[in-house]
Amino acid sequence: GAVVSQHPSRVICKSGTSVKIECRSLDFQATTMFWYRQFPKKSLMLMATSNEGSKATYEQGVEKDKFLINHASLTLSTLTVTSAHPEDSSFYICSATAGGPIETQYFGPGTRLLVL
Amino acid sequence: GQNIDQPTEMTATEGAIVQINCTYQTSGFNGLFWYQQHAGEAPTFLSYNVLDGLEEKGRFSSFLSRSKGYSYLLLKELQMKDSASYLCVFMDSNYQLIWGAGTKLIIKP
Repeated sequence: GAVVSQHPSRVICKSGTSVKIECRSLDFQATTMFWYRQFPKKSLMLMATSNEGSKATYEQGVEKDKFLINHASLTLSTLTVTSAHPEDSSFYICSATAGGPIETQYFGPGTRLLVL
Repeated sequence: GQNIDQPTEMTATEGAIVQINCTYQTSGFNGLFWYQQHAGEAPTFLSYNVLDGLEEKGRFSSFLSRSKGYSYLLLKELQMKDSASYLCVFMDSNYQLIWGAGTKLIIKP
């Protein structure tokens, strides 16, 4: 099956610093990638949808300037959490589809961010 | 509005069968997914239903009734490794995934 990787898997940073999370589709070209955030014991919350070569579409309530998303190629999307604060600590998950809105999403393993 | 309901937690015995129900309300529908999520990990895809009926895939089966806004995930021959959260997710008319909070399934020996 299709494989999506994320790097890093875990990151601990100081408050005020920026953290970049990479999401890669390893064996297929991902026309669309999604970024989710999950709080403990809660469902996934969609943050934004990114299509290769265009600006990401952010969900209501998600700060564009705080969560920068770049989908530079068909196999790579990055999420940068700028000026991270403890409340940004969460589990960030990306997913990717090969094409078409109904196409199954393949999820990355997730990145656990802890901001001290 | 759009809403998904599924039980918060269920307990079952190893080797038995368990059915996890999900009801949803939506103004548009483009299919329903079930995902399995182990603690601390990303969800993994289990099934996708867009037409009414039962889809069987090994020990797991998923059923959909669009007129009733209802789906269930059936797990047979339960194994300890099946202990996980099971997420009911539907795709709305804008092709957005609407996630349920998940059902935590506890398997006992």
